Amino acid sequence: GIQVEQSPPDLILQEGANSTLRCNFSDSVNNLQWFHQNPWGQLINLFYIPSGTKQNGRLSATTVATERYSLLYISSSQTTDSGVYFCAAGDYKLSFGAGTTVTVRA
Amino acid sequence: NAGVMQNPRHLVRRRGQEARLRCSPMKGHSHVYWYRQLPEEGLKFMVYLQKENIIDESGMPKERFSAEFPKEGPSILRIQQVVRGDSAAYFCASSPRTGGDQPQHFGDGTRLSIL
Repeated sequence: GIQVEQSPPDLILQEGANSTLRCNFSDSVNNLQWFHQNPWGQLINLFYIPSGTKQNGRLSATTVATERYSLLYISSSQTTDSGVYFCAAGDYKLSFGAGTTVTVRA
Repeated sequence: NAGVMQNPRHLVRRRGQEARLRCSPMKGHSHVYWYRQLPEEGLKFMVYLQKENIIDESGMPKERFSAEFPKEGPSILRIQQVVRGDSAAYFCASSPRTGGDQPQHFGDGTRLSIL
């Protein structure tokens, strides 16, 4: 199956800072999604982005399919951005990375 | 996450009992996927179902686990004779059609605890 690697594993930010999370995947994919798992365990769907660039408020994502990586940008971070960010790639069978744990300090 | 409904949110079972987890997909979705999030192991695919058909169960443990998605009603993930190692969060997702070229929409999960 698809191997998905995320970096960095942990990220500590001061409120208001910007950050970039990276996801590498081992093969071409039809589906790539970014999720935020909040402290209550809910998986919040951030982006469906098998290629190209999308933006949603302070979040944006870019996937370069030919080079098999995706980036998630968080701008002007807030404490509510804390949690674990997962990248998942594949087709109907999604392989998840190990996640990046983001802690935003006030 | 409003569209995919999972229940119960939390389920506690004693070793040897059965656990039934339910998933109602988003309206208009006929494809359901189950994933399991074990502590320290991350999220793993378990099974992909369409109405009345199991399409891919390559991620299901060989024993005690089964899944169904009947013509009417929710998808059910059933775990027989639960053991401590079954404690995990179980997530269901749905999509409107087959293939990977569309997003999967996830429910809030069921947290299963085994005493």
